[in-house]
Amino acid sequence: QVQLVESGGGLVKPGGSLRLSCAASGFTFSDYYMSWIRQAPGKGLEWVSYISSSGSTIYYADSVKGRFTISRDNAKNSLYLQMNSLRAEDTAVYYCARDTSNWYFDYWGQGTLVTVSS
Amino acid sequence: ETVMTQSPATLSVSPGERATLSCRASQSVSSNLAWYQQKPGQAPRLLIYGASTRATGIPARFSGSGSGTEFTLIISSLQSEDFAVYYCQQYNNWPPRFGGGTKVEIK
Repeated sequence: QVQLVESGGGLVKPGGSLRLSCAASGFTFSDYYMSWIRQAPGKGLEWVSYISSSGSTIYYADSVKGRFTISRDNAKNSLYLQMNSLRAEDTAVYYCARDTSNWYFDYWGQGTLVTVSS
Repeated sequence: ETVMTQSPATLSVSPGERATLSCRASQSVSSNLAWYQQKPGQAPRLLIYGASTRATGIPARFSGSGSGTEFTLIISSLQSEDFAVYYCQQYNNWPPRFGGGTKVEIK
């Protein structure tokens, strides 16, 4: 069965950095686009970043552009999100999600919490 | 950007009753609309895509309709496991955007 397991979240000070990982299993990872989606505490869902199956096409939400970098390693069935210059408003649960290639998401991980606070 | 507005914010329904949730887009999204269910402490689960197609394993009591700017999710007879927050998401226009959610609670 499809499994997505995020890791790497934690408490970080404003201006700090964090790298999230998502380990995928149960499907051919290299065939699928992937996205990161976040949810601030008690709030709704916000799409953050997308990467194509080969990694050649990448998009970011305006709110993270220039600070976050998405990448993937198809040999390791893994997705990553490098987050730099973190702000309090980046505090959220970060989910990795499998993209159907139509920009909706059919499988989600359980999420990893990122807290940006001094 | 396409803004998605869901109503009501909270819906109080008795088990066995019908629930009707609405989602409105600020511009046409054709039929490129998905619905997700999220329970406390869990990840969202895909329910509906293409405005009306149930995802794999989703019970028939969930149905979606609409096109353009107005969409509806109906849960025909609420079961205890259906009390949750529901989000719509458009994927017709860049970037993909979610609505603010409707919480379905026990009346």
